[in-house]
Amino acid sequence: RKEVEQDPGPFNVPEGATVAFNCTYSNSASQSFFWYRQDCRKEPKLLMSVYSSGNEDGRFTAQLNRASQYISLLIRDSKLSDSATYLCVVKQAGTALIFGKGTTLSVSS
Amino acid sequence: DGGITQSPKYLFRKEGQNVTLSCEQNLNHDAMYWYRQDPGQGLRLIYYSQIVNDFQKGDIAEGYSVSREKKESFPLTVTSAQKNPTAFYLCASSIGDRVLYNEQFFGPGTRLTVL
Repeated sequence: RKEVEQDPGPFNVPEGATVAFNCTYSNSASQSFFWYRQDCRKEPKLLMSVYSSGNEDGRFTAQLNRASQYISLLIRDSKLSDSATYLCVVKQAGTALIFGKGTTLSVSS
Repeated sequence: DGGITQSPKYLFRKEGQNVTLSCEQNLNHDAMYWYRQDPGQGLRLIYYSQIVNDFQKGDIAEGYSVSREKKESFPLTVTSAQKNPTAFYLCASSIGDRVLYNEQFFGPGTRLTVL
């Protein structure tokens, strides 16, 4: 079983749509969680950290369910510029980040 | 500007040749990492270093070697023992893995093609 699993997509949505990505992780010792964004042929960049209480940053909302070992990312009012691959990332104490394979989003006009 | 630089952006080598990829950071970060990304795949950890003169193997270290003689620099050598070296190589740095929410900053990557 892979440590971090994501639906690869692609998710094809029109501008203005709401889209949700899900991610599951296998190691219950995971302690910190992130979503990174990677544009085509570019390096990944941190989109947001995911905290136990859930957190929001503008149009982006991240949720964590430790009991189900599940992380989600919700994007509201999608923009063309949101087209990218979204990487779910988890970390245990003292270890390097563990990346999922990513979910590809394509927003069209 | 603070950041991570990788050079070159594109690299072509003949099969059987060793090649060294450069990674430099001026963020004063203790930890540095090398990842490999293949098309449609996630990032796989090759090597990482938490402090100068120390490094650990990641998940796919075979056929690669690193050094960490300076805090700012973490070069990766792809040796002829690496069976499928053609890939996108990403270097990253952070303040260290003891911090739970440590953001990793990535360089722009090097695309290595072995002919």
